[in-house]
Amino acid sequence: EVRLVESGGGLVQPGGSLRLSCAASGFTFSSFWMSWVRRAPGKGLAWVANINQDGREKYYVDSVKGRFTISRDNAENSLYLQMNSLRVEDTAVYYCARGRPDYMDAWGRGTTVTVSS
Amino acid sequence: QSALTQPPSASGSPGQSVTISCTGTSSDVGSHRYVSWYQQHPGKAPKLMIYEVSKRPSGVPDRFSGSKSGNTASLTVSGLQAEDEADYYCSSDAGSNNWVFGGGTKLTVL
Repeated sequence: EVRLVESGGGLVQPGGSLRLSCAASGFTFSSFWMSWVRRAPGKGLAWVANINQDGREKYYVDSVKGRFTISRDNAENSLYLQMNSLRVEDTAVYYCARGRPDYMDAWGRGTTVTVSS
Repeated sequence: QSALTQPPSASGSPGQSVTISCTGTSSDVGSHRYVSWYQQHPGKAPKLMIYEVSKRPSGVPDRFSGSKSGNTASLTVSGLQAEDEADYYCSSDAGSNNWVFGGGTKLTVL
């Protein structure tokens, strides 16, 4: 069974940092693009970043460029999102998903990030 | 990277058909074949329902269908069932390794 489990969310002050993790199991992790998608309160889904199979290609939505870093450890079957200089508008549930937004066929249950003073 | 435009709500009675639109621009929906639709029930993870405009992943009922005309993509749910009540999101390739989602449509089964 394909399984993605996010962790690392929490409450952080504006300007702070958090590192999200996503533990993957049930498939060959190293064979897939992986993505982070978020859903802010009262809003829709929004693509955040994705990374290719070997980690050499990384892409970000403009609003997080320079602040967020996506990475992966294929030996540990894990995906990460390092979030720095957090803003109130980054408050959201963050989902880890297998694939790119054209075909994300497995998702985690999400981890909640709240940026507030 | 503006969000795609979806109606905030849609509704239909059991057995009826409902169509949800997703309007973008010539830079995203209008020029790319990578338009997808996702279903999300409250508190649950999203689920892929349609990819590449009109293809269904294995396990998705054929009551769900997708199409595109110009800058607007559409998701049609035929033979509405109670379990179809959920939020639906479209997404599109926006070029240059950018991806954009719609604001979401809450589908209510009356």
